[in-house]
Amino acid sequence: EIVLTQSPGTLSLSPGERATLSCRASQSVSSSYLAWYQQKPGQAPRLLIYGASSRATGIPDRFSGSGSGTDFTLTISRLEPEDFAVYYCQQYGSSAYTFGQGTKLEIK
Amino acid sequence: QVQLVQSGAEVKKPGASVKVSCKASGYTFTGYYMHWVRQAPGQGLEWMGRINPNSGGTNYAQKFQGRVTMTRDTSISTAYMELSRLRSDDTAVYYCARRVDDYVWGSYRQGLDYWGQGTLVTVSS
Repeated sequence: EIVLTQSPGTLSLSPGERATLSCRASQSVSSSYLAWYQQKPGQAPRLLIYGASSRATGIPDRFSGSGSGTDFTLTISRLEPEDFAVYYCQQYGSSAYTFGQGTKLEIK
Repeated sequence: QVQLVQSGAEVKKPGASVKVSCKASGYTFTGYYMHWVRQAPGQGLEWMGRINPNSGGTNYAQKFQGRVTMTRDTSISTAYMELSRLRSDDTAVYYCARRVDDYVWGSYRQGLDYWGQGTLVTVSS
């Protein structure tokens, strides 16, 4: 099973700042199968990025994804108040899907 | 519009089984895989498995093999997830989620684009 490790565990930033979230895989992941989700308290996750770099429908262009192989990044260019949430990366490989443990983005 | 509506909260005793439903609307049910993901209180997301609503074929996470069964009823566009031999650590919110996959500029991409509202399953004696 491929293990995804997200860092940092918690990121404290202010609105307007840039956020960079990391997702590292224990073995190479196809970019086609790397996705990012946002989850707010009491809500279901929301798909932000799939195919490592494609924004899902309706996702603002301040969200971008990049990376390949074992290292992937979610960048939020300028934080809005509604962006403070928990973010998960997810991959598919070897007939199984796995999620990272999440990065909590909190207001500084 | 696409909607996934799940059944209501359940309270079960250890050793019992639970069956959660997920009714889809706004799209062709048989055209998209349905996944099940759970989240224990205060914890992260855990993938349980998926079903191909067209064929009924399933893939389960190794952790749940032998305890989980995913089925579907295409006549009512509903997917089901049944978990047996419940333990206290199965207490979680269970989500169904539709898988989208497409091609852009020749590159394939995949993700879970619509999610149900979640069903809280509490296992307690």
